[in-house]
Amino acid sequence: GENVEQHPSTLSVQEGDSAVIKCTYSDSASNYFPWYKQELGKGPQLIIDIRSNVGEKKDQRIAVTLNKTAKHFSLHITETQPEDSAVYFCAASIIGGSYIPTFGRGTSLIVHP
Amino acid sequence: SAVISQKPSRDICQRGTSLTIQCQVDSQVTMMFWYRQQPGQSLTLIATANQGSEATYESGFVIDKFPISRPNLTFSTLTVSNMSPEDSSIYLCSVAHYEQFFGPGTRLTVL
Repeated sequence: GENVEQHPSTLSVQEGDSAVIKCTYSDSASNYFPWYKQELGKGPQLIIDIRSNVGEKKDQRIAVTLNKTAKHFSLHITETQPEDSAVYFCAASIIGGSYIPTFGRGTSLIVHP
Repeated sequence: SAVISQKPSRDICQRGTSLTIQCQVDSQVTMMFWYRQQPGQSLTLIATANQGSEATYESGFVIDKFPISRPNLTFSTLTVSNMSPEDSSIYLCSVAHYEQFFGPGTRLTVL
């Protein structure tokens, strides 16, 4: 089955800096890679996703890149703000398959004002 | 997107008792899931709730411990039976059209 590794487990940055979270996956059949943000006391919220036919996707301060050959994908947050502080999860799944995604272990991002 | 509500949002229960968690979605969905998230951990899939048939459980989870109902396409319940302190977790309902959405979670503490 699919295995998703996520690094780092904790990331501390100063407000205004960039943050990068990296994930690798094992199943070359995976073709859909969402990222979730989970704030304290809330359920995970989808913030951006990418399909395997695209190398990069951007939404304001957030971008995701995908390298299919190397089987890794990354979340980039620019100009970080204290409200970006949360736990971020990556996931990998197969659209058209059972759908059930495999999640990474999460990255706790702390943005210091 | 789908709006998902869960009840209760949190509860503190005694060892040996059971708790039923409700999940309501604002639209009909085919795929509905239940996850467990232990403190500081990732999301672990408990089961897929199937409408009109028995739930499909992941390895390590059994129906006797986590019975699930799915009477229609907008509602499901998860029961945590005969609870022990190890069951203290956040339980999350989730639905998928193509994107996956999560409810706010139920924070369970077992004493």
